[in-house]
Amino acid sequence: GAVVSQHPSWVICKSGTSVKIECRSLDFQATTMFWYRQFPKQSLMLMATSNEGSKATYEQGVEKDKFLINHASLTLSTLTVTSAHPEDSSFYICSGSYNEQFFGPGTRLTVL
Amino acid sequence: GENVEQHPSTLSVQEGDSAVIKCTYSDSASNYFPWYKQELGKRPQLIIDIRSNVGEKKDQRIAVTLNKTAKHFSLHITETQPEDSAVYFCAASIGTSYDKVIFGPGTSLSVIP
Repeated sequence: GAVVSQHPSWVICKSGTSVKIECRSLDFQATTMFWYRQFPKQSLMLMATSNEGSKATYEQGVEKDKFLINHASLTLSTLTVTSAHPEDSSFYICSGSYNEQFFGPGTRLTVL
Repeated sequence: GENVEQHPSTLSVQEGDSAVIKCTYSDSASNYFPWYKQELGKRPQLIIDIRSNVGEKKDQRIAVTLNKTAKHFSLHITETQPEDSAVYFCAASIGTSYDKVIFGPGTSLSVIP
């Protein structure tokens, strides 16, 4: 199957700082990428749909000014958590769409 | 919007027995229903999917059934093995999208050797 990578795999930051997470489709072009957040022992919650060359579409309740998404190329989407707070600590997973969704390995964010 | 419910939340079975997980969805326009397996700390892996023009699909020990009238679908795992232990998520497409889906809350399956 198609491969999606994420970087970093984990990150620890101080409250108030910003963190950027990269999502790359390695062997296919993903016109659409999705960003999810997963809290411990919970399901994946869709945060936003990222389309190459256009603004991301955010799900209800997700602050677009806090979670900045950029999809500058067909193989790269980035999620920036701005002014992170402890409640933003979570597992963030992206996926690239190519006939089905292929998920990245996830990024564990811990905000102190 | 789409809402997906899933039962049971936890399931324990003896090795070799069958496991059944059931899901319901709310959007009658949904036409794509994937199932994912997620091991602790890892990415979800697609294990089987079904589209609305099919009532049943099977892949070795895994099968999925779909009842569009009742808006529910089920995952059946036969001859369970310890390595089947994981969290399983059902999902339903948002409308007729083939890739944008909403996940169910998950079922933690434990297969006891």
